[in-house]
Amino acid sequence: DTAVSQTPKYLVTQMGNDKSIKCEQNLGHDTMYWYKQDSKKFLKIMFSYNNKELIINETVPNRFSPKSPDKAHLNLHINSLELGDSAVYFCASSQERGAWYEQYFGPGTRLTVT
Amino acid sequence: GESVGLHLPTLSVQEGDNSIINCAYSNSASDYFIWYKQESGKGPQFIIDIRSNMDKRQGQRVTVLLNKTVKHLSLQIAATQPGDSAVYFCAENMNGQNFVFGPGTRLSVLP
Repeated sequence: DTAVSQTPKYLVTQMGNDKSIKCEQNLGHDTMYWYKQDSKKFLKIMFSYNNKELIINETVPNRFSPKSPDKAHLNLHINSLELGDSAVYFCASSQERGAWYEQYFGPGTRLTVT
Repeated sequence: GESVGLHLPTLSVQEGDNSIINCAYSNSASDYFIWYKQESGKGPQFIIDIRSNMDKRQGQRVTVLLNKTVKHLSLQIAATQPGDSAVYFCAENMNGQNFVFGPGTRLSVLP
């Protein structure tokens, strides 16, 4: 059973388009996160949600918006895609806010903007 | 050895040898650190953590050392195995916020 799953695994799209990446966790965790990993492997946290409330919002452009329909899902919407958005996006979850030691990561979504 | 430029620092070790992966962290106020392992095509996976009130912590085949004086972390892997080949990240956390990952080191285990 997959603990944290993401769809799609690969996403190729053109500049200016709007796209979404979905994330689901079946661990019963209360907190979910989105990370961006660039081509140099730098990993940076973007958002986290706890009980449907956004609790971390790093300096991310407002073209990115997380949406959580329920505790098990945290989707990432990206508007007006730019070349610099090309990266691997990871979803993660943990039981509690700030429980970094028990974060479970999804397999990643590789986004390529052309 | 190491590579520079756009490539990750790389550490190559013989199978069975010990590996030491180093990390310099940025914030002297950081009080909690984690080492992650990321295999090709997968997300990061927690390996071991350490709080700033400790200098050393051991797990199964892994040891993390913390030197707060020079803001340095190291991950030691004993008897390195082919399955240890991955990119390793350190991450620092200050007071539960601003969790920051380091740039990563690629470990390559040679047969």
